[in-house]
Amino acid sequence: DTGVSQNPRHKITKRGQNVTFRCDPISEHNRLYWYRQTLGQGPEFLTYFQNEAQLEKSRLLSDRFSAERPKGSFSTLEIQRTEQGDSAMYLCASSLVGYAYNEQFFGPGTRLTVL
Amino acid sequence: DQQVKQNSPSLSVQEGRISILNCDYTNSMFDYFLWYKKYPAEGPTFLISISSIKDKNEDGRFTVFLNKSAKHLSLHIVPSQPGDSAVYFCAARPLTGNQFYFGTGTSLTVIP
Repeated sequence: DTGVSQNPRHKITKRGQNVTFRCDPISEHNRLYWYRQTLGQGPEFLTYFQNEAQLEKSRLLSDRFSAERPKGSFSTLEIQRTEQGDSAMYLCASSLVGYAYNEQFFGPGTRLTVL
Repeated sequence: DQQVKQNSPSLSVQEGRISILNCDYTNSMFDYFLWYKKYPAEGPTFLISISSIKDKNEDGRFTVFLNKSAKHLSLHIVPSQPGDSAVYFCAARPLTGNQFYFGTGTSLTVIP
């Protein structure tokens, strides 16, 4: 499978718990993006990496959120002390710099439900 | 602060007819625009894009038109097929920066 993969696909947690999601991008892609999508909305940008460097963060990314891409390959997104408002679909996308204006390829997403 | 807007949440079209999906934006610094298609339980899939130096880009049944003066783009699907039924998102990227801004989506239903 050469597409973007995300794990887990679904996560149900209780308010106050920490959760971590993983994204495996397309292998040769050097950019990796995280988005959040809530019902009736389009994807909202959270952050992106070029290789292992986190280059941009949205103001949506509160201090409870942290993302890493330690070796420039897979990435993790951690949410600490989850709140019900964090319930959303978390999408990962990857792209290759310099190719086709950075067309992004999306994974299937991780659906988070905070009870 | 929604910089990319899709004002029609849904659209129904008969099979074989043209589907026209519209998108408006407010940021004049946007220079690259894309359309994505999304099926349930899947991530968005890239469909077609257009640079701000063009006013039209065509790929098979799909054509995107860009009107920079009106800050408006549209996606035409001709002829529409039942398999085109999905949610369509338009997205835009500014000249500087790598953040993509997405609209809220239009759910297209193509009726056989």
